[in-house]
Amino acid sequence: KQEVTQIPAALSVPEGENLVLNCSFTDSAIYNLQWFRQDPGKGLTSLLLIQSSQREQTSGRLNASLDKSSGRSTLYIAASQPGDSATYLCAPRSGTYKYIFGTGTRLKVLA
Amino acid sequence: EAGVAQSPRYKIIEKRQSVAFWCNPISGHATLYWYQQILGQGPKLLIQFQNNGVVDDSQLPKDRFSAERLKGVDSTLKIQPAKLEDSAVYLCASSQNLGSFERTSHNTGELFFGEGSRLTVL
Repeated sequence: KQEVTQIPAALSVPEGENLVLNCSFTDSAIYNLQWFRQDPGKGLTSLLLIQSSQREQTSGRLNASLDKSSGRSTLYIAASQPGDSATYLCAPRSGTYKYIFGTGTRLKVLA
Repeated sequence: EAGVAQSPRYKIIEKRQSVAFWCNPISGHATLYWYQQILGQGPKLLIQFQNNGVVDDSQLPKDRFSAERLKGVDSTLKIQPAKLEDSAVYLCASSQNLGSFERTSHNTGELFFGEGSRLTVL
């Protein structure tokens, strides 16, 4: 059974810092892994999807890496801004298109 | 391209009453998911459909929850009777199929979510 852990659970940083959010999963037999952002009271917005054959994926100031064999993914946020404040969730996809979520990292970027 | 549509956005009911949530996935997406998200937690998968068939409902409390996707397009999630602990956001998501040997540049298996339906049980 897939279990997903995200560290840290919460993070508060001043604007401009570079950040690293961690995601670990117990079953390495995944097809891909997706990172999401969730604003309070909203649904989840897809940020990046990494296929199992990829090591990295980039979108603007975001970079996600995947080490499938060790069951880890990292989301790197460069030059953080107050607008980045949200909860960040990772979800690896296992067989039968099943996505399992971690509990998320709550990020607050202070102006 | 229209996103995943859900309704209602908010619902307040008393315990032991019933409630239904509706979801219309992105056009052409064969896989539809219902997740329950309790405040401060990550989404928990309740049920997964592939077209109109159930793939996984192992975490659906079947004594009170039911879901259907009769024509393989939109879906309804029902709770009857509701309990206080059912207060949560119910999220619907959809994705295209992604067979092991069918990956194309436009079919990544990406998961898309609706805005969610927030349920408060008093």
